[in-house]
Amino acid sequence: AQKVTQAQTEISVVEKEDVTLDCVYETRDTTYYLFWYKQPPSGELVFLIRRNSFDEQNEISGRYSWNFQKSTSSFNFTITASQVVDSAVYFCALSEANSGYSTLTFGKGTMLLVSP
Amino acid sequence: SAVISQKPSRDICQRGTSLTIQCQVDSQVTMMFWYRQQPGQSLTLIATANQGSEATYESGFVIDKFPISRPNLTFSTLTVSNMSPEDSSIYLCSVLHGGGNTIYFGEGSWLTVV
Repeated sequence: AQKVTQAQTEISVVEKEDVTLDCVYETRDTTYYLFWYKQPPSGELVFLIRRNSFDEQNEISGRYSWNFQKSTSSFNFTITASQVVDSAVYFCALSEANSGYSTLTFGKGTMLLVSP
Repeated sequence: SAVISQKPSRDICQRGTSLTIQCQVDSQVTMMFWYRQQPGQSLTLIATANQGSEATYESGFVIDKFPISRPNLTFSTLTVSNMSPEDSSIYLCSVLHGGGNTIYFGEGSWLTVV
């Protein structure tokens, strides 16, 4: 079974639409960290957010917001008023105690295409 | 945050040759790692680069194919040996930085084997 599931392979939206990228994770740890990264076509992996398992407060950063729900093991990412520059592959990832929280298990990624 | 530089950023390599990728961090870090991302796929951990000792490899990756060096706390290299087209991937260096357990990545090294 996958530890991090991003069920949406590809999402296409028109600029200014809101879009939510889903992430469901699986772990037996009580302490863990969840991450989102953005990978534009150039290939680099851009850190967006890190959330520890004890902090279920939703977070907003500009047009980005994250909804962490332990009850459903989900850590969803919403982009409000999407822009063409948001086009990228987005990865959700999990770090657990067995790696000392130093390595990541990635989902398969969601490719977001924002058209003008 | 950590600034992580990788060289080369891109390369086209001949089958059967070897290439060494460098990773330089702008501050001392305890933990450095190497990941591989095959075309259209997610990232997979290759190994942990240990300073002063041999790297720790994940299942499916071996030292003869992916030798790693970590001479100090800011630098590591990954060599992809005897390359085949299946080795065409983005190779990314990663570090665990700061007390907040945040994991950062370099810009990646995009290798194409022909």
